Amino acid sequence: NAGVTQTPKFQVLKTGQSMTLQCAQDMNHEYMSWYRQDPGMGLRLIHYSVGAGITDQGEVPNGYNVSRSTTEDFPLRLLSAAPSQTSVYFCASSPTSATTQYFGPGTRLTVL
Amino acid sequence: AQSVAQPEDQVNVAEGNPLTVKCTYSVSGNPYLFWYVQYPNRGLQFLLKYITGDNLVKGSYGFEAEFNKSQTSFHLKKPSALVSDSALYFCAVRAFHGSGNTGKLIFGQGTTLQVKP
Repeated sequence: NAGVTQTPKFQVLKTGQSMTLQCAQDMNHEYMSWYRQDPGMGLRLIHYSVGAGITDQGEVPNGYNVSRSTTEDFPLRLLSAAPSQTSVYFCASSPTSATTQYFGPGTRLTVL
Repeated sequence: AQSVAQPEDQVNVAEGNPLTVKCTYSVSGNPYLFWYVQYPNRGLQFLLKYITGDNLVKGSYGFEAEFNKSQTSFHLKKPSALVSDSALYFCAVRAFHGSGNTGKLIFGQGTTLQVKP
């Protein structure tokens, strides 16, 4: 198993550009989530999904969209990037919402 | 509001000495508690968790944590620290809402552990 994979590893955007951060898992996990990590603030939940076709907002959803068309994939979309979205983004998955989450290696995003 | 606090930004210990990284939480309902470790430029790795049962939980790499319900704490401990334990440690809590699948993982701000030779 590859576990949780994320692409790209690094990305630089200009303000106003759009992009999609990819996340995939091959463990048949129902629960997937996106976090952002900022210095001194821990990880904050952006969006999560309890299964294909079901998504919901976390703590900091503004400026981000998600969809879950398959169990394996959970992409995060930035429609119009802002400098405040400069961060490290982690995707995670778990069999259910109550079990241990497994994290991907992260995507470091810089918005100029 | 549900929250997790890690009161120390950094903990410094000498190699071979015991270490403690503190965590307190506030949730409604029974908490599911986790510790994760992050090495530089890496994702988070699971160390251990408390769901129910014994208050002392043993995890990976010789780490353990003690759940204290009255003090709402879940401190991470290791009897003898190694230089290779130096990393960023996160405490997290998930409140399980009955049979619903909407439990969210709430992280503390992280504690940097520095183990010196």
